[in-house]
Amino acid sequence: EVQLAQSGAEVKKPGESLKISCQGSGYNFIDFWIGWVRQTPGKGLEWMGIIYPKDSDIRYSPSFQGHVTISVDKSIDTAYLQWSSLKASDTAIYYCASKGYYNGKVAISAMDVWGQGTTVTVS
Amino acid sequence: QSVLTQPPSASGTPGQTVTISCSGNSSNIGGNTVNWYQQLPGTAPKLLVYFTNQRPSGVPDRFSGSKSGTSGSLAIRGLQSEDEADYYCAAWDDSRHLPVFGGGTRLTVL
Repeated sequence: EVQLAQSGAEVKKPGESLKISCQGSGYNFIDFWIGWVRQTPGKGLEWMGIIYPKDSDIRYSPSFQGHVTISVDKSIDTAYLQWSSLKASDTAIYYCASKGYYNGKVAISAMDVWGQGTTVTVS
Repeated sequence: QSVLTQPPSASGTPGQTVTISCSGNSSNIGGNTVNWYQQLPGTAPKLLVYFTNQRPSGVPDRFSGSKSGTSGSLAIRGLQSEDEADYYCAAWDDSRHLPVFGGGTRLTVL
């Protein structure tokens, strides 16, 4: 079964660091873009950035550039999202997503495999 | 503000057809396909439509997508109570070199 398994919920204090993970299984993890998506309480979805595991090409949304770091460990088919100094406004659910490949065409904005989400509370 | 614009809410009665719009510009919807996600309460988003009008396996044909110029639409035919959810449009943005979402539309089945 193709799936993305995310790490568990976290409760942190402002200023602390955090690294959450997203492990893929059931498909060739390194061949497909991975996206990180934020959903703040009662709000919509925001793409934070994307990474291509095969060559670690990373692109950040301007809203998140400089505040988070996206990385990948190809040896264990795992992507990461990390913060060096959390703020209360980082309280949200974070999803990873991947694949988005249909009939030989890449469609990064149409990812069909999603993790279950990681709830991060900063207080 | 989201890059793509959706109405915040929509509603319909069982059996009706509801349409949700998504407005963008030439950098996103105008030059690329539109995709739609459904998010049921407390769950991760689920891809509903890709490449403007294609449905992943398992998505009922009651859901259909279309595009005209810089706007996309999602139509839900034969509305059912289980369709009550948040719906998001998404597209690639050529100027940002990233995907972008709409703000989401909460669909209520009356």
